[in-house]
Amino acid sequence: DAGVIQSPRHEVTEMGQEVTLRCKPISGHDYLFWYRQTMMRGLELLIYFNNNVPIDDSGMPEDRFSAKMPNASFSTLKIQPSEPRDSAVYFCASSWSPRGTRSWDEQFFGPGTRLTVL
Amino acid sequence: AQSVAQPEDQVNVAEGNPLTVKCTYSVSGNPYLFWYVQYPNRGLQFLLKYITGDNLVKGSYGFEAEFNKSQTSFHLKKPSALVSDSALYFCAVRVQTGANNLFFGTGTRLTVIP
Repeated sequence: DAGVIQSPRHEVTEMGQEVTLRCKPISGHDYLFWYRQTMMRGLELLIYFNNNVPIDDSGMPEDRFSAKMPNASFSTLKIQPSEPRDSAVYFCASSWSPRGTRSWDEQFFGPGTRLTVL
Repeated sequence: AQSVAQPEDQVNVAEGNPLTVKCTYSVSGNPYLFWYVQYPNRGLQFLLKYITGDNLVKGSYGFEAEFNKSQTSFHLKKPSALVSDSALYFCAVRVQTGANNLFFGTGTRLTVIP
């Protein structure tokens, strides 16, 4: 397996523009997580999905952020409109739960998308 | 509430010497504990985990960690450091039941000096 795939790897945009980050989890994984990493706040969980359903979005900073998972192999994180304070590295991670449980083990991270909002 | 503390932002160690990266946690139930490593411009990579059983856990690249329930600690150790171990290390905790959130520490930057 190629691991978790994220695109783009780098994104530079201007304030006010819409930004869409993409993630393809590892095949067979049923959990998907979106994180944001900054120097000031470290690694923050934004939202996670189980079987394509959003379970906890309490980490999403505000209404400008939205995430979707239309199928088991694809998720998007959208920022509209973007602001300079959204500049960060955004990671997607996936994991799987053993059959019959709702508990997952270690997470597998993608390489991240470095977002710069000017 | 769950939380993780990594008290040292930076750890420097000479190549060949033993290394320790500290982590303490706070959870309301039994913890799942993890260590991840992040190399420059890369995503986090899983190193090891404690779920249950032996308090000494062995992981990738010769790393190990010891779960100490009384001290609520999960320090990462390696007997002999390599220059290639230089990276950012994250400790993380999750409660075994209930919410599936993983709480990360702020990270410790390890520098191994040749």
